[in-house]
Parts: sequence; C-alpha cells; structure tokens
Amino acid sequence: AQSVTQPDIHITVSEGASLELRCNYSYGATPYLFWYVQSPGQGLQLLLKYFSGDTLVQGIKGFEAEFKRSQSSFNLRKPSVHWSDAAEYFCAVGGLLAGNTGKLIFGQGTTLQVKP
Amino acid sequence: GAGVSQSPSNKVTEKGKDVELRCDPISGHTALYWYRQSLGQGLEFLIYFQGNSAPDKSGLPSDRFSAERTGGSVSTLTIQRTQQEDSAVYLCASSRDLAGAGAGELFFGEGSRLTVL
Repeated sequence: AQSVTQPDIHITVSEGASLELRCNYSYGATPYLFWYVQSPGQGLQLLLKYFSGDTLVQGIKGFEAEFKRSQSSFNLRKPSVHWSDAAEYFCAVGGLLAGNTGKLIFGQGTTLQVKP
Repeated sequence: GAGVSQSPSNKVTEKGKDVELRCDPISGHTALYWYRQSLGQGLEFLIYFQGNSAPDKSGLPSDRFSAERTGGSVSTLTIQRTQQEDSAVYLCASSRDLAGAGAGELFFGEGSRLTVL
C-alpha cells in the first residue's frame, strides 16, 4: 500500500538559514510526488511536483525538491529561509498504477518555525 | 467561482445529530477529494471521485460517513450520528483529469470546521 512518512513533526530554523524537510514514500511504481504548504489560517497551496524527467524540481517561493528513487525520498529544500515561510508542509504521493485509483496520500506534515 | 467553495465554514452540532458538508469544485475539474484534518493528524484521506468511475471510499472511517457527487460537480459529505471524535476540519479539493499536464495538482477549499459537543 502507498504511504508517506515525514519523520520531522516540528522543525525550527533561523531566518536566513538553509532548510531541508524530509519525505519518504512507499509506492508500487514511480509515483507522482508533491509538496504542499499550509500557512496559518489559509488553505493548502502546491509548492512543487514531480512526475518524471529531471529529478530536481523547482517550485514557487524559492523551494526545490529532489527525487531519489534509491532512497524513496523526495526532500524539500530552500537555501535561505524567510520568516514568511513559517507554515505546515505536507508531502504527498499518488499516481495511476494497477489497483490504485489515483488518489493522493498525504504525510502527517512538518511544522516549520522560523526564528528571527 | 474561481476556486473550490465549501460550506458551511463552521458548524457546531450536538453529539448524535447528522451533518452535511458541501463542496463546490472548480468548474471542469473531474476529480474531487474529501480529506479530514485533525490537530496533529495531518490530512486523512476520506473519499475520492474521478469522473464517472465508482468512488474510492477506502478512507471513510465508519459507515456513519457517506458522500455523493451529483452531476459530476457538487459533492456532499454526510456524517450521521456525529461523535466527538468527528470534530475536525473537513477539506475538499478538486483537480483536473489525471492524464493532463496539471494532473494531481489539487486545489483546496478553505475547509469546514466541525465541532461536535
């Protein structure tokens, strides 16, 4: 069965520092992978997605993520964090394969706190 | 409308009552999802509608939960005989057909916050 694990429930970084949020998945084939962000009091917004091709994908707000098949990972990175990046981040996996309807499964989320 | 619309935005009900939550997806989106977000629990998948296919109900937590989608557009999530553990934010999302370039990008509504007393 497909699943997503975000090992870090809560992360605190200083403004200007680099950031990496971890995501590991379990899937029967090469999945579609996504990162969504939920800012306080707001709905979820897509940051970036991977379907195929270049394993390093660029997203909005200066975020990027790298698909590593050998590690079943899709970690989210940003070289310099801004205070406005404080939010909850969700990794998701999905895609069509035999026996799967294509629904997206989300991880538990990682809450990012940014220190001034 | 331009985005996914959910109503009501807030609902307070007494234990044992039935509630209906409504979702109006983005026009032309064939896929519609319901998720539940509880504090510290992430997004729990409930049900997924894709076009005319039978819905994927594998995430519904009990037979008190049901959902329908009429005419391939508006969806209603019904919770019968509500319990306190049903208290959560219920999120609806829609997306285009999976085969397209926008496949898998979900557009979320603001959610319906349900409180069961």
